[in-house]
Amino acid sequence: AQSVAQPEDQVNVAEGNPLTVKCTYSVSGNPYLFWYVQYPNRGLQFLLKYITGDNLVKGSYGFEAEFNKSQTSFHLKKPSALVSDSALYFCAVRDKAGGFKTIFGAGTRLFVKA
Amino acid sequence: GAVVSQHPSRVICKSGTSVKIECRSLDFQATTMFWYRQFPKQSLMLMATSNEGSKATYEQGVEKDKFLINHASLTLSTLTVTSAHPEDSSFYICSARGTGGFTGELFFGEGSRLTVL
Repeated sequence: AQSVAQPEDQVNVAEGNPLTVKCTYSVSGNPYLFWYVQYPNRGLQFLLKYITGDNLVKGSYGFEAEFNKSQTSFHLKKPSALVSDSALYFCAVRDKAGGFKTIFGAGTRLFVKA
Repeated sequence: GAVVSQHPSRVICKSGTSVKIECRSLDFQATTMFWYRQFPKQSLMLMATSNEGSKATYEQGVEKDKFLINHASLTLSTLTVTSAHPEDSSFYICSARGTGGFTGELFFGEGSRLTVL
């Protein structure tokens, strides 16, 4: 069965510093990986995805993520954090064996301090 | 990107009544929509997959008679919480897959916060 793990409930970073939000996954086939962001009392917004090709994918708002097949990871990164990046971030995975259902991680809350 | 509109954003109802939540794809046709439930400080739990013109597919443990889903057109899916009870209070979010098919990202509505008194 597919699963997604976000090992950190919360990540704290100072504005201007680089940030990393971790994600590991488990699927039986080739994974389709996604990152979404959620602001309070709102739906989720798509940030970026990995389907195939270059392991480093770039997305919205300066975020990027690196697909690492050997470590089954898809960590979200940004070179310089902004206070406005503070939100709840979800990693998600989908694969053919799972019927292409999207499974979400537990979420990581990011706090960026000014 | 594609826009998904969800209404109402907040609803308060009395125990025993039914509540309908609408999910519309505004600028694209969505043959498949998904309904999620989110508990405080928790992830999204997939409740059901809504297919236009056919019966919804419910996830294990989700009562289909309690959470009625109708997907009558390519742009509208509705979730009706029947005979609501306080334990049904939650944040419900709908989503639709864009034109990318199985590789496409999901587009989410703004969510509906249901409070059952």
